[in-house]
Amino acid sequence: QQQVKQSPQSLIVQKGGISIINCAYENTAFDYFPWYQQFPGKGPALLIAIRPDVSEKKEGRFTISFNKSAKQFSLHIMDSQPGDSATYFCAAGLHRALTFGSGTRLQVQP
Amino acid sequence: EAGVTQFPSHSVIEKGQTVTLRCDPISGHDNLYWYRRVMGKEIKFLLHFVKESKQDESGMPNNRFLAERTGGTYSTLKVQPAELEDSGVYFCASSQGGGLDYGYTFGSGTRLTVV
Repeated sequence: QQQVKQSPQSLIVQKGGISIINCAYENTAFDYFPWYQQFPGKGPALLIAIRPDVSEKKEGRFTISFNKSAKQFSLHIMDSQPGDSATYFCAAGLHRALTFGSGTRLQVQP
Repeated sequence: EAGVTQFPSHSVIEKGQTVTLRCDPISGHDNLYWYRRVMGKEIKFLLHFVKESKQDESGMPNNRFLAERTGGTYSTLKVQPAELEDSGVYFCASSQGGGLDYGYTFGSGTRLTVV
């Protein structure tokens, strides 16, 4: 049973557009929700993270929206750029381990 | 600061053989984690070391997998004997502190192919 469900599997966005990736989790004990960005041949890199006592966190063009009651959170990339083309993973943390979603391959077209 | 280093970057072995993956964490990072991504699916937790001690190995799939961390520095993950379903990308990550807020730094991974 997959504890963190991520959608869509792939996403194509035009340059300057908004990219939105969604995740839903099952375990209400999770208390840390990061997003990772992975480029080909590289390991995942932490992009932005949020705790469940906050409904939104913004860092530059990246925003996490968190809905605790719905057990859902999402990543919004504003003004998407071709350099944002990568695979994005959401995750949920408990204690010291992370449970990841299955990833979203984002392609930003020039 | 050097990042997390993993080698080999790629390994192709036959079913039944043994493979050992190595991870060198960032210097001074006591916490070391192993994860793997199989068949383009989600990245799954394998285990967590604090220094040389295994804190959580609940994600290890079976006893064909053995992880060690000598002297609290580098770590190895041995698969013996390898099976076809072990193919995937194995990631190592390290963090300075034990809390998740410290954030993980991942290595580039080892792509293991069992044929």
